[in-house]
Amino acid sequence: SQKIEQNSEALNIQEGKTATLTCNYTNYSPAYLQWYRQDPGRGPVFLLLIRENEKEKRKERLKVTFDTTLKQSLFHITASQPADSATYLCALDRGSGAGSYQLTFGKGTKLSVIP
Amino acid sequence: DAGVIQSPRHEVTEMGQEVTLRCKPISGHDYLFWYRQTMMRGLELLIYFNNNVPIDDSGMPEDRFSAKMPNASFSTLKIQPSEPRDSAVYFCASTLGGGNTDTQYFGPGTRLTVL
Repeated sequence: SQKIEQNSEALNIQEGKTATLTCNYTNYSPAYLQWYRQDPGRGPVFLLLIRENEKEKRKERLKVTFDTTLKQSLFHITASQPADSATYLCALDRGSGAGSYQLTFGKGTKLSVIP
Repeated sequence: DAGVIQSPRHEVTEMGQEVTLRCKPISGHDYLFWYRQTMMRGLELLIYFNNNVPIDDSGMPEDRFSAKMPNASFSTLKIQPSEPRDSAVYFCASTLGGGNTDTQYFGPGTRLTVL
């Protein structure tokens, strides 16, 4: 069966360090992968998208990698700040064809950046 | 644009009662999604619509759940009768469509508690 795993439920990191979150999947052939941020009491907010033929994508302090051989995506936040504390979700399209727009989400990793 | 609007934000009801959750997607978006989020199961897709037509309702847990989209600016998710295990946060999301990688914009969610 299809499965998405995010490496840990919680990750604590010191301010200024690089946070690395992992998303592994099995039995998927996604065309793309997305990362979302969710703050308490709010809906997820889109951060980055990476396609299957892209190795890396960057946006300001964020970097995402996508290895379709390992079936893994890494999400990095460099120079982390307490304001980066949130839950981060990875999401994969279901690979059911163009225009399906159906996403399957991981359970998320709660990141805490300690001042 | 005001973003995706959901109401109510919180709902407390007793087992057996009917519950109706409401959603207004972003104007012009062709796709609307209903999700449920719990600690145990994470964020799960229940049903999605394209141009007001239900496309995939395979995530709807059982016949007690129903969803409608009478027009492009309004959708409802109804639970009748409600049960304590339905307690969760329900999110509505919308996306523009027209491509293969459109990101989803989430509403603030409705926190449902069934006593």
